[in-house]
Amino acid sequence: DSGVTQTPKHLITATGQRVTLRCSPRSGDLSVYWYQQSLDQGLQFLIQYYNGEERAKGNILERFSAQQFPDLHSELNLSSLELGDSALYFCASSVGAAAVDTQYFGPGTRLTVL
Amino acid sequence: GENVEQHPSTLSVQEGDSAVIKCTYSDSASNYFPWYKQELGKRPQLIIDIRSNVGEKKDQRIAVTLNKTAKHFSLHITETQPEDSAVYFCAADYNYGQNFVFGPGTRLSVLP
Repeated sequence: DSGVTQTPKHLITATGQRVTLRCSPRSGDLSVYWYQQSLDQGLQFLIQYYNGEERAKGNILERFSAQQFPDLHSELNLSSLELGDSALYFCASSVGAAAVDTQYFGPGTRLTVL
Repeated sequence: GENVEQHPSTLSVQEGDSAVIKCTYSDSASNYFPWYKQELGKRPQLIIDIRSNVGEKKDQRIAVTLNKTAKHFSLHITETQPEDSAVYFCAADYNYGQNFVFGPGTRLSVLP
């Protein structure tokens, strides 16, 4: 157990809908990262927050957005969902903001868009 | 931005043999190279990492080597066991440590 929690574990929804994925980092960690992993695909970095502020952006679609709250938990919002958005979404946390700080991954949320 | 290539994409070895996975990166400023193991249906877990001021690092049966001049690094697993079967991802930082990018992964199968 990495200490990073994600809810829900599974999510099934329809095209065009909007969902929110939640992540709680390890105690003491200030950074939260979001990744998308499609079937048989690698990990695609979406976005990073550090202490409430957006720090780095990867291949995140405009239909997706995220935020980190004062208690450091983070939410990833996915809207106008398409079939291709079906994937495993991981969040990871680290103590600092730099890439050299070890990232600890949560268990993931499996999103299925029908 | 940084581009990380990883080879092979799949690798099968007999139990007890060694496995080697290689990654190349493009950003000469990269300084940090972690390796993650992801078992089926589970989260990626850091297994070893190396920083650019070190050429080799070992942890029991796992070792990583780094060649900064050639911009490649490799994961070596010796005396492989069935529980080593997983997908392995390499990664490299870029943009002066602002972030990092993963390789596409290697599916390792250790055959009993």
